[in-house]
Amino acid sequence: EAQVTQNPRYLITVTGKKLTVTCSQNMNHEYMSWYRQDPGLGLRQIYYSMNVEVTDKGDVPEGYKVSRKEKRNFPLILESPSPNQTSLYFCASSSYSGPVTYEQYFGPGTRLTVT
Amino acid sequence: TQLLEQSPQFLSIQEGENLTVYCNSSSVFSSLQWYRQEPGEGPVLLVTVVTGGEVKKLKRLTFQFGDARKDSSLHITAAQPGDTGLYLCAGGDSRSMEYGNKLVFGAGTILRVKS
Repeated sequence: EAQVTQNPRYLITVTGKKLTVTCSQNMNHEYMSWYRQDPGLGLRQIYYSMNVEVTDKGDVPEGYKVSRKEKRNFPLILESPSPNQTSLYFCASSSYSGPVTYEQYFGPGTRLTVT
Repeated sequence: TQLLEQSPQFLSIQEGENLTVYCNSSSVFSSLQWYRQEPGEGPVLLVTVVTGGEVKKLKRLTFQFGDARKDSSLHITAAQPGDTGLYLCAGGDSRSMEYGNKLVFGAGTILRVKS
């Protein structure tokens, strides 16, 4: 089954404690990205990757890091989480077959609370 | 910065009623997508429209892309409780060849259909 998986699904942590949210896709997609979803703000892109070892900032990258060492994995790293990073996080992947015909496949989400 | 405004933010209707959700911008988009998101899950693509004036139908759902590719609408005929969810529009960045599959999301419309 084609899917994007994220772990953990729920996480409660304290300010400053480094954490990693994993993301994996089994569709051999080139493009992967991370979004955060906050009430009234919709989905905002944090980082994206167009292929292995190619990553770039999205609209709200501050406080986050990513890496793309393998095509299927795209972990999101919070080196020193703060309460304003409490949010619902989604990983997404898509093939890169052109500028207008792509479909993004989303993971089930990770609800992060930073106290 | 490209922005998409969705209206209404919240819609509560009775089963069998018709409804329209709007997605507007002052920017031109290369394509427009509509996603549906259910609680505890990631967004799932419903449709992609790419040509100004394009109309697509998916059973009881009708999607339209504005002639100038700045706005879109989603019309649901005879809504059913199973249509309940968060509906998100997303515009393909007009510079997407350079920025990969970047999408700009609206804040979403929460639809509740009561039986």
